[in-house]
Amino acid sequence: QKEVEQDPGPLSVPEGAIVSLNCTYSNSAFQYFMWYRQYSRKGPELLMYTYSSGNKEDGRFTAQVDKSSKYISLFIRDSQPSDSATYLCAMSARGGYSTLTFGKGTMLLVSP
Amino acid sequence: GAVVSQHPSWVICKSGTSVKIECRSLDFQATTMFWYRQFPKQSLMLMATSNEGSKATYEQGVEKDKFLINHASLTLSTLTVTSAHPEDSSFYICSASVTGGLQPQHFGDGTRLSIL
Repeated sequence: QKEVEQDPGPLSVPEGAIVSLNCTYSNSAFQYFMWYRQYSRKGPELLMYTYSSGNKEDGRFTAQVDKSSKYISLFIRDSQPSDSATYLCAMSARGGYSTLTFGKGTMLLVSP
Repeated sequence: GAVVSQHPSWVICKSGTSVKIECRSLDFQATTMFWYRQFPKQSLMLMATSNEGSKATYEQGVEKDKFLINHASLTLSTLTVTSAHPEDSSFYICSASVTGGLQPQHFGDGTRLSIL
């Protein structure tokens, strides 16, 4: 079993839809959870950064962490064609200075 | 804030040459920088962790003599691919973490390396 599992997609939705992206993990030591967005031929861009369990909202994005289930989610409301990208979940045990474990990334396609 | 600049963005060179890639944290100090490699439609693969003023720590299977990393200051790390060959062609990405540790890593825009 891989440390972090993420469905590669692609996930196709119409503009305006609510998108749900998920990752599961097996290492209970993970405490810091991140979502990055990566456009083609670009570096990952940090979207959300959370510590431990709970919810965090930033504009159209909501990150949820359920440590008891080892499950994290990213919700995108009112999705836009510009949201079309690959979304990577990442996690670490000790914060940004320590090694990140990435999911494989989910490709999202939002059609106008 | 937390901008990481990577240069060059794309380089094409002949087999056997060495290529240097720079990674700079523009508006923060980064004790730790990371170098990743990414193949098409794959996730990021950590190559090495670089701490300012000390030797880099390489992941298993990464040749330290081929991929030379220097982190001479709190805002600059370099990756030199020595005697590059076509199989070294890839997308190389750096990231940096704000000194202090708990902040997330911020990534550069990557360097596309093509070896002919």
